[in-house]
Order: sequence, then structure tokens, then C-alpha cells
Amino acid sequence: AQKVTQAQTEISVVEKEDVTLDCVYETRDTTYYLFWYKQPPSGELVFLIRRNSFDEQNEISGRYSWNFQKSTSSFNFTITASQVVDSAVYFCALSESIYNQGGKLIFGQGTELSVKP
Amino acid sequence: EPEVTQTPSHQVTQMGQEVILRCVPISNHLYFYWYRQILGQKVEFLVSFYNNEISEKSEIFDDQFSVERPDGSNFTLKIRSTKLEDSAMYFCASRRELRQFFGPGTRLTVL
Repeated sequence: AQKVTQAQTEISVVEKEDVTLDCVYETRDTTYYLFWYKQPPSGELVFLIRRNSFDEQNEISGRYSWNFQKSTSSFNFTITASQVVDSAVYFCALSESIYNQGGKLIFGQGTELSVKP
Repeated sequence: EPEVTQTPSHQVTQMGQEVILRCVPISNHLYFYWYRQILGQKVEFLVSFYNNEISEKSEIFDDQFSVERPDGSNFTLKIRSTKLEDSAMYFCASRRELRQFFGPGTRLTVL
């Protein structure tokens, strides 16, 4: 069965601190895709990254970085030098079966990040 | 960047009434989805739609729900007889390749 677990419900940091959001997933498929979305207080879902199961290279985009480890079924997200604008709920999501008519996203519970000035 | 649009942004209805939530997916996308997010909770998959038919639906998507792509551009979610527990944010999404593009959501409030 597919499942995404974000064990951290809420995290509070002070601006400029680094913070890591954890994501652990379960899937039986050998081909799958992992995503991170940001949901600011305005409510929309903002796409951050997609990762394929066969590409374990870590990725960095500005202050954001992602650590994908298949051995531990984890896809963690780190924000370096956090800013108040990073305050949001962050969702990790899993998708299988992209290349048929499916491709639904299974979301984790989300981690609410609060960055204080 | 192309956008998915949803109307209305907020819908208030009385319990037992029918509501139709509307979405305009990105024009060359082939796969369409509805998700629901109850306030403070995670985003939950409702239904996927491909080639003019439902390809997958969740346990939430019972007989009270239906989807339609009536004219090749709109994608609608109908709830026939709303319940209090249907109050939530409803997101439409579409994709052509790997990434789903989400609309801004419709907040449905059932009184």
C-alpha cells in the first residue's frame, strides 16, 4: 500500500536557522515519484520539486535542498537560512503509475513550519 | 506558466443542496484530478479522470459525487446532496507529463 508519513506536525525556528522536514514513504512499486509542495497561508499548493525513484541524486535549489535515500525510504527537505516567508505547511507526496491513466498523489499529513523573526 | 483555474473561490451552501465546482485545466493536459482538504488536514485524493472517464476513485468519492468534462475545456465536480462533512477546500489538478498543476482551490462551506 502507498503511504507517506511526515512525523513532524509543527516546527518552529528562528530566522536564519536551518531546518529539515522529514518524509518517509511506503510503496510496492519499483517506479514511483516523490514531490514536495508548499501551502502558504493563502491556501494554494505550490510545487517545489519532483524526484524519480531511479534518480537518487540530491538536489539543491537556492536555499532548498532535498535528500532522497531509497535505502531508508526517505525524501527529506532542508531549508538553509530560513526566512519568515518560508512559514507555511509543507506536504510530501508520492505517486505511482504515472504512465497509465492513474498517477494520483498520496499526501503526507504535512508539517507546519513557523519561522519567527 | 500556464494555470489551472477554479470557480468559485468560495461557495456557501445549505446541507442537502447540490453544488457544482468548476475547473478549467491547462489546455493540452490529458489527466484530471480532484482532491479535498478538510481544514487543518492533509490533501486527499478523490478522483482521477482520463480519456473521458473515471480512471480511479477513492473511498471518499461515493455516489453523491460525480465528475464531468462537458465541453472539452471545463472539468466539474458535482456533489448531489451536500453534508456538513463535505465542508473543505477542493483542489482541481491536471497534468500532461509527470507534474500535476493545481488550481487555487474552491472553499466549500456547508451550513
